[in-house]
Formats: sequence, structure tokens, C-alpha cells
Amino acid sequence: GAGVSQSPSNKVTEKGKDVELRCDPISGHTALYWYRQRLGQGLEFLIYFQGNSAPDKSGLPSDRFSAERTGESVSTLTIQRTQQEDSAVYLCASSLVGGAGYEQYFGPGTRLTVT
Amino acid sequence: AQRVTQPEKLLSVFKGAPVELKCNYSYSGSPELFWYVQYSRQRLQLLLRHISRESIKGFTADLNKGETSFHLKKPFAQEEDSAMYYCALSGERGGSQGNLIFGKGTKLSVKP
Repeated sequence: GAGVSQSPSNKVTEKGKDVELRCDPISGHTALYWYRQRLGQGLEFLIYFQGNSAPDKSGLPSDRFSAERTGESVSTLTIQRTQQEDSAVYLCASSLVGGAGYEQYFGPGTRLTVT
Repeated sequence: AQRVTQPEKLLSVFKGAPVELKCNYSYSGSPELFWYVQYSRQRLQLLLRHISRESIKGFTADLNKGETSFHLKKPFAQEEDSAMYYCALSGERGGSQGNLIFGKGTKLSVKP
């Protein structure tokens, strides 16, 4: 079946512009996670959705970052007034059940470059 | 603080040689430990998790709570094992902390 998909695959934007990144999880997966990976770094957790609710937003680095999920399906990560330090690969993952210990299935990522 | 440390950025071995990718963690409690792998031009995928006690593609990993380590081992490396390997942890099974904390990764290169 179809895996997690993300769009766009690449995004180049100018500093100060807003961007939206999309994630389509595996159908039926109730949990959805956003991570980012800056060059030479490990993956950093950003936000977790259980259904359409976000019980854990602790990883969002600033109030310029927000995310929503609708229909217990697609999620959008929005970055306002982008800065050069936002350049990274943004990864989305979903799992059948939320909570600790369950396998997460990753999308291919969106590479964001802020010039 | 919750942390995963992979001390080697790059590990290079010859085909047929044993390989060990090191992972140490810091966590107050009993975390779930995972190894994820990313082959060239593929997405990140689960390789194995400690709770399953399984061997995948010849790889095994033993959780050593005393040393807080979860090293990944394979007795005879193959060229197709060349990839980026990430050690990760989540909260205790059944708990609410499902997000993964990753190490920075080790790039394994298996030479012919």
C-alpha cells in the first residue's frame, strides 16, 4: 500500500517568506509526527498529533512554527517569516497507534532551503 | 536529560568483517530503543527494536541497562549494509511519550 507522502519534495524560499509543508500519513494511522534534520545533525522532534489534536508541541522551536491536522489525515506544517536557520529536511512519520514503542513510518521528507 | 549518543560519524569496514555501531543513551526510566536505517535515496525505516529481540538482515542489538547502551552488531558485513544508521529512543512502552529522540547517526561503509 501507499506509504507516507510529503510535498513538496524540495522548496527554496526567500528569507521572510511563509512556507507550508504537507504530509499525507498512511491511511488509518492515528498518530502523526513532524521532525526536522539540519545538516550534520540528528532528527529533532517538532510536534505530535493524536487524531486531530496535538498533545505535544514541545519541539516547535519558535512561535513562527505551527501545524495542524484535519480529518485525522493530512497535516500541514507552516513556517512564518522563514529564517536561514530553518533550512533543513522536514520529515513526517505516522504510526498506527500513538504513544511510546510503536513503529513509525517515515515519509521521504521536504528539503527546505531559505536563501 | 534525554539523549542518544552515537560516537562514530563514519565507520568503514571490509566485506565479511564484523561490524559494531555504538549507541549510548541517557533516560530516566526504561525507554524503548530502536535502530533506524536509511539506504541511499531511500526513506528512513525501522531496522529493529529491542523489545522484539529479533535479528533483521543479520543485525542484532542488545540492550545493556547497566551501561545504558544499545549497540548494533553484525558478524559479517555485506556491501548492501552500507547506509546511515540512527539509534533512537522513545518513552516507556504504553506511555504517552511516543516521539523519538535520535542520535546523530553513523554512516557505515562496507568496502568490497
